Amino acid sequence: DGGITQSPKYLFRKEGQNVTLSCEQNLNHDAMYWYRQDPGQGLRLIYYSQIVNDFQKGDIAEGYSVSREKKESFPLTVTSAQKNPTAFYLCASRDRGILSGANVLTFGAGSRLTVL
Amino acid sequence: KNEVEQSPQNLTAQEGEFITINCSYSVGISALHWLQQHPGGGIVSLFMLSSGKKKHGRLIATINIQEKHSSLHITASHPRDSAVYICAVRGNEKLTFGTGTRLTIIP
Repeated sequence: DGGITQSPKYLFRKEGQNVTLSCEQNLNHDAMYWYRQDPGQGLRLIYYSQIVNDFQKGDIAEGYSVSREKKESFPLTVTSAQKNPTAFYLCASRDRGILSGANVLTFGAGSRLTVL
Repeated sequence: KNEVEQSPQNLTAQEGEFITINCSYSVGISALHWLQQHPGGGIVSLFMLSSGKKKHGRLIATINIQEKHSSLHITASHPRDSAVYICAVRGNEKLTFGTGTRLTIIP
């Protein structure tokens, strides 16, 4: 079955450490997104990528980095520069075509990062 | 003021009741999404609509573009419908999310 796989599901990090969250999709979607979810707030966009080897900053990109070397993979690195990294991180993808069912977002199960 | 406002924030109802969750937005949009988030955190896309009404099983979503308002209805609610329902609006490539409505259905 096609879908998005995020790993790890839970991650603990010490202050000052970088950590990379994995996001892999086998849906052949062009666009991929990283969101951050905090209690009481809507999802906020960190980075997005519309095609391979291209990505754009979202609303809260500071302290994060991404790469898009392959269509199916969009890893997110939370760097030590991110001042408040404890959060739930969601990866999503979207088919940007014009066929029926296109433009619907598919989400991964999320990764919960806790900084100790 | 948030660009996307949902109401109510929390809703508790008895099994079988008709449920309505509202979403108002203040920006021009190309589409509106309704999403469902279960306690484990995973999110499922329920509807994407840009006009009119869509129905899937016991779920109905409507949108009024002129009034910048959408509603999600659940008929014959069931405890398994308990989740957070999130409205999101699309402008160009970017989605803006509401803070969600936490729905609890009591048996």
